[in-house]
Amino acid sequence: GAGVSQSPRYKVAKRGQDVALRCDPISGHVSLFWYQQALGQGPEFLTYFQNEAQLDKSGLPSDRFFAERPEGSVSTLKIQRTQQEDSAVYLCASSLDGGRANEQYFGPGTRLTVT
Amino acid sequence: AQTVTQSQPEMSVQEAETVTLSCTYDTSESDYYLFWYKQPPSRQMILVIRQEAYKQQNATENRFSVNFQKAAKSFSLKISDSQLGDAAMYFCAYWRAGKSTFGDGTTLTVKP
Repeated sequence: GAGVSQSPRYKVAKRGQDVALRCDPISGHVSLFWYQQALGQGPEFLTYFQNEAQLDKSGLPSDRFFAERPEGSVSTLKIQRTQQEDSAVYLCASSLDGGRANEQYFGPGTRLTVT
Repeated sequence: AQTVTQSQPEMSVQEAETVTLSCTYDTSESDYYLFWYKQPPSRQMILVIRQEAYKQQNATENRFSVNFQKAAKSFSLKISDSQLGDAAMYFCAYWRAGKSTFGDGTTLTVKP
């Protein structure tokens, strides 16, 4: 079957614009994760869903960041009033059941550049 | 807060040789998991190996094995018989309750 897909793959936003990043997890995967990966660094946890429930959003850097997964499948990460420090690759991953430390399958990421 | 440290930003190995990548972590928890992920250039991150903290036996997956020292909070990855396809960025990660903490990675170069 298909893997995790993310769109768009590249996004250029002017400072102050709002952006929406989409993640399509593997069908049947209960858990979905968002990470932010700055250049030359490891991914940093942003938030985690189990089905439609957002169980942990402790990694969201500010109230400008918002994530949702209304029907327990596709998820959207929204960033309002983008700032230059938001420039990074945003990775999405899904797993059968995140509560059991199953293998996470990662998408290709969305590279966000804020100018 | 948990932290994961990979002290080797870059490593190099000759094809067919063995290389060990280091990882240390800090936690006050006793129940957690540790992972090594591989991120090839311009490709998606994939799982290499997983270790459950309550298991004393070191995990192995074909040419990949770990040396897990729980008391020392050390989790190194050994790659045997290195192949050109092993060239990638390798990340060590700590997992607990759905939340992962990653190190900053080690770039592995494999020389033919």
